[in-house]
Amino acid sequence: QQQVKQSPQSLIVQKGGISIINCAYENTAFDYFPWYQQFPGKGPALLIAINPDVSEKKEGRFTISFNKSAKQFSLHIMDSQPGDSATYFCAASEAGGYNKLIFGAGTRLAVHP
Amino acid sequence: GAVVSQHPSWVICKSGTSVKIECRSLDFQATTMFWYRQFPKQSLMLMATSNEGSKATYEQGVEKDKFLINHASLTLSTLTVTSAHPEDSSFYICSARSSGGGYTQYFGPGTRLTVL
Repeated sequence: QQQVKQSPQSLIVQKGGISIINCAYENTAFDYFPWYQQFPGKGPALLIAINPDVSEKKEGRFTISFNKSAKQFSLHIMDSQPGDSATYFCAASEAGGYNKLIFGAGTRLAVHP
Repeated sequence: GAVVSQHPSWVICKSGTSVKIECRSLDFQATTMFWYRQFPKQSLMLMATSNEGSKATYEQGVEKDKFLINHASLTLSTLTVTSAHPEDSSFYICSARSSGGGYTQYFGPGTRLTVL
């Protein structure tokens, strides 16, 4: 019940295209869903996060879509650029305790020029 | 704002020695810090949760006597890998959550540990 399943494992997109990464969860107690971007040899950086009260959140070229009934959420990267090439992790956390993050397996995105 | 630093950024040590990694929140106070380990091309694995002034909470399967965690102040947590062996070679990353509340974890740049 603690798992967060992420797909695809890797993704190749042409410059200017839309990158879509999906995550699914089982634990209905999760109430915070962030996405992190990680470049090789660096720590993850928070991109955007959402809570279950909203179905979509947009920040610049990055959008989270959230489907509470399906227990799924996704990251859309519009107008993908070569500089977006990185590994993306979805995560989930529940209220209470220390708000530990449960990470997905990661998606390696390559944006080709 | 919300910057987390780690020191050192990389370290090479001989098998059997101990290595200490520092994690600092530079511009905020962090009641809770987290330590992760990441193997190549894998996700982040939470090792332990560190709270200022109290004992760390370790995840199942993580040896608390091998990975010593100290959170002595609201801006500093340390991870000591004791009697390191080659299988401990990994990328160690800390994160910090602000004392002001909220879920957001800010991650450090990571420490690459290589044990020969």
